[in-house]
Amino acid sequence: GENVEQHPSTLSVQEGDSAVIKCTYSDSASNYFPWYKQELGKRPQLIIDIRSNVGEKKDQRIAVTLNKTAKHFSLHITETQPEDSAVYFCAAKRASGGSYIPTFGRGTSLIVHP
Amino acid sequence: ETGVTQSPTHLIKTRGQQVTLRCSSQSGHNTVSWYQQALGQGPQFIFQYYREEENGRGNFPPRFSGLQFPNYSSELNVNALELDDSALYLCASSEGTDSNQPQHFGDGTRLSIL
Repeated sequence: GENVEQHPSTLSVQEGDSAVIKCTYSDSASNYFPWYKQELGKRPQLIIDIRSNVGEKKDQRIAVTLNKTAKHFSLHITETQPEDSAVYFCAAKRASGGSYIPTFGRGTSLIVHP
Repeated sequence: ETGVTQSPTHLIKTRGQQVTLRCSSQSGHNTVSWYQQALGQGPQFIFQYYREEENGRGNFPPRFSGLQFPNYSSELNVNALELDDSALYLCASSEGTDSNQPQHFGDGTRLSIL
């Protein structure tokens, strides 16, 4: 099956700095890589995603890069703000018997200090 | 457009009991997935239902079962509850089963096993 490793587990930055979270996956058949933000006590929310035929995608202060050869993808947040503080999860989705099975990383707790 | 709703929000059970959790999918979404999220971990995929049939399953024993109804609502049933079943249970709906269909999560049901 798929194995997704996510680093770091905790990331502390000053407001205005950039934050980078990295994930690696093991199954080369994985073809869809979403990122979720989960605030304390709330539901995971999709913030950005990337498909395997794309190397980079950007949405305002958030960007995701994908290196299929190395099997890793990263989330980049620029000009961080205190409201960016949350747990971020990466995921990799692969086909399995007619459906697509997502495997999540263990999460990165991002703390943005004012 | 209504979002994904889950009930109940919290539940306490004892070992050996059975539990049913409920999810109402977002309008127009014919696919629902259930996840188990232990404290400090990423969501783990339990199974997915598409048009009332299970079409994908993660590494969970048969005592975890589900149903999906024509009105887009669904249930997660867990028999013979164990202490390790204590977790947040999330459902997520999407418009189809393609790998790149965004999933919309509910707020989850916090299940505690005593």
